[in-house]
Amino acid sequence: AQSVSQHNHHVILSEAASLELGCNYSYGGTVNLFWYVQYPGQHLQLLLKYFSGDPLVKGIKGFEAEFIKSKFSFNLRKPSVQWSDTAEYFCAGVGNQGGKLIFGQGTELSVKP
Amino acid sequence: GAVVSQHPSRVICKSGTSVKIECRSLDFQATTMFWYRQFPKKSLMLMATSNEGSKATYEQGVEKDKFLINHASLTLSTLTVTSAHPEDSSFYICSARTGMDQPQHFGDGTRLSIL
Repeated sequence: AQSVSQHNHHVILSEAASLELGCNYSYGGTVNLFWYVQYPGQHLQLLLKYFSGDPLVKGIKGFEAEFIKSKFSFNLRKPSVQWSDTAEYFCAGVGNQGGKLIFGQGTELSVKP
Repeated sequence: GAVVSQHPSRVICKSGTSVKIECRSLDFQATTMFWYRQFPKKSLMLMATSNEGSKATYEQGVEKDKFLINHASLTLSTLTVTSAHPEDSSFYICSARTGMDQPQHFGDGTRLSIL
């Protein structure tokens, strides 16, 4: 069955710390992967996406993610977080034949000033 | 670009009433729109997928007679919660995309509270 899982439910960091949020997927074929962010009281926003090509994808606000096919992973990284990065982060995937977007459980990130 | 507007943002109503939520793609044509439900501290749960001009495809466990979805145009989809009860209270979110290989763009969500 297709699935997306996020290992960390709540991550607490201090400003300037490095961030890595885990995401693993399980799909039978090729998959398109996304990271979305939901700031408090706001709608989901696309951070970055991977369809094909360079497995290191750079997104907005200094975020990047690396698609590692052998590990079925698509971890989100940021070298130095800011207080304004406090939000809920969702990894999601969809098979390349279309179909529904499957979300991971979400990771709440709290950045202490 | 790629703005999705959802209305209303919050609604409170009595048990037994029906509530309609609108989802509009403001600056693009959405061939497909999706309706999700989000519980507190939980991920988004896909309720149904709607393609313009066709019947919605509901996920397993979602009552299609309870949650009526209409996608009458390429820029508008509506979700009607019929005869709402307190257990229907939740945060409902819509999204839209232009094509199968395109990311979904999300609305702000609707907080539904049934008294």
